[in-house]
Amino acid sequence: RKEVEQDPGPFNVPEGATVAFNCTYSNSASQSFFWYRQDCRKEPKLLMSVYSSGNEDGRFTAQLNRASQYISLLIRDSKLSDSATYLCVVNIIDFNKFYFGSGTKLNVKP
Amino acid sequence: NAGVTQTPKFRVLKTGQSMTLLCAQDMNHEYMYWYRQDPGMGLRLIHYSVGEGTTAKGEVPDGYNVSRLKKQNFLLGLESAAPSQTSVYFCASSYAGSGPFTDTQYFGPGTRLTVL
Repeated sequence: RKEVEQDPGPFNVPEGATVAFNCTYSNSASQSFFWYRQDCRKEPKLLMSVYSSGNEDGRFTAQLNRASQYISLLIRDSKLSDSATYLCVVNIIDFNKFYFGSGTKLNVKP
Repeated sequence: NAGVTQTPKFRVLKTGQSMTLLCAQDMNHEYMYWYRQDPGMGLRLIHYSVGEGTTAKGEVPDGYNVSRLKKQNFLLGLESAAPSQTSVYFCASSYAGSGPFTDTQYFGPGTRLTVL
């Protein structure tokens, strides 16, 4: 069983749409959570950390549900530039290890 | 401030050849990591280091060795390359702060390795 699972997509949405991705994790000892963005053939870059109370950064909102062991990312008013693969990441701090999902691909169309 | 750099960017090897990938960071980060990324598999941790002179195995360590002789450098070695090691290799580093949310990872641009 994978530590982190994501729907690979692709999610094809028009500009201006709202889109949501979910990610589930298997280890209840996971302590910190992140969403990374990866453009084609580039390195992953941090999009946002995910806090227990949920957090928002502009058009992006992240939520954490520890009881059900999933995190979500909501993108409002999608832009063409949001087209990328979104990676869900969890960290088991005691082991200094990060576990990455395989990513969800988003295509925003004009 | 270059962040995390990796050399080389591309490499083609023949089965059985050896090579070393170099990762360097100028952010004074304690932790460094080597990942490989394959289609549909996401990033998988090969080895990591929590400080100069220390290394530890990740999920997929077989066929790789690492060294962290200097805090700013983390080397990944392939002793006898195999076609199964064809992949994109990413190095990352993070600050070893206390508590969560201080451990954001910063990635290098990647090395694309093909083993024939």
